Amino acid sequence: AQRVTQPEKLLSVFKGAPVELKCNYSYSGSPELFWYVQYSRQRLQLLLRHISRESIKGFTADLNKGETSFHLKKPFAQEEDSAMYYCALSGGGDDKIIFGKGTRLHILP
Amino acid sequence: DTAVSQTPKYLVTQMGNDKSIKCEQNLGHDTMYWYKQDSKKFLKIMFSYNNKELIINETVPNRFSPKSPDKAHLNLHINSLELGDSAVYFCASSKRGLNSPLHFGNGTRLTVT
Repeated sequence: AQRVTQPEKLLSVFKGAPVELKCNYSYSGSPELFWYVQYSRQRLQLLLRHISRESIKGFTADLNKGETSFHLKKPFAQEEDSAMYYCALSGGGDDKIIFGKGTRLHILP
Repeated sequence: DTAVSQTPKYLVTQMGNDKSIKCEQNLGHDTMYWYKQDSKKFLKIMFSYNNKELIINETVPNRFSPKSPDKAHLNLHINSLELGDSAVYFCASSKRGLNSPLHFGNGTRLTVT
């Protein structure tokens, strides 16, 4: 069964410190992984996807198939990074995208 | 030029009532979804339509009935509303295919009293 696990409900990090939001997945095939972000009072939006191998707003995420992880990282946190972050997986033929429970990132001044 | 738009933004109603939420996308996507975000911010898929055809129905109570009059619209009708239905409902759309990301609407905050 497909599953996405984000072990941290809340992560507080000081401004300028490195950030790592954890995501582990369970899927038997080759999934597509995404990170979505929801800033306060805004809609959910795509942050990045593993296939693009890009850095968005300083964030990167590497798919580690051995560890079945897709952790989101940023070397230096900024206050505007405070938001809710969701890891998501797409793998079925029905285009279903399932989400982890989300991690609230709080950047401390 | 909003890509995915939902109405209403807020909906407050009493238990037992019937209500509808509308969603429209102008991205030319074939697939549309309804997600429910509960008070703990947990986001769960409810339904997915592809070209007006239901392809995902995630064991949602029968009181919830999606309707897709065309591929640009996906409405959600809820009968006999219950307290537990209070949540934010997000509409989303995407192209077909595994790599296609979701484009979300702003959400509809439903409060059942």
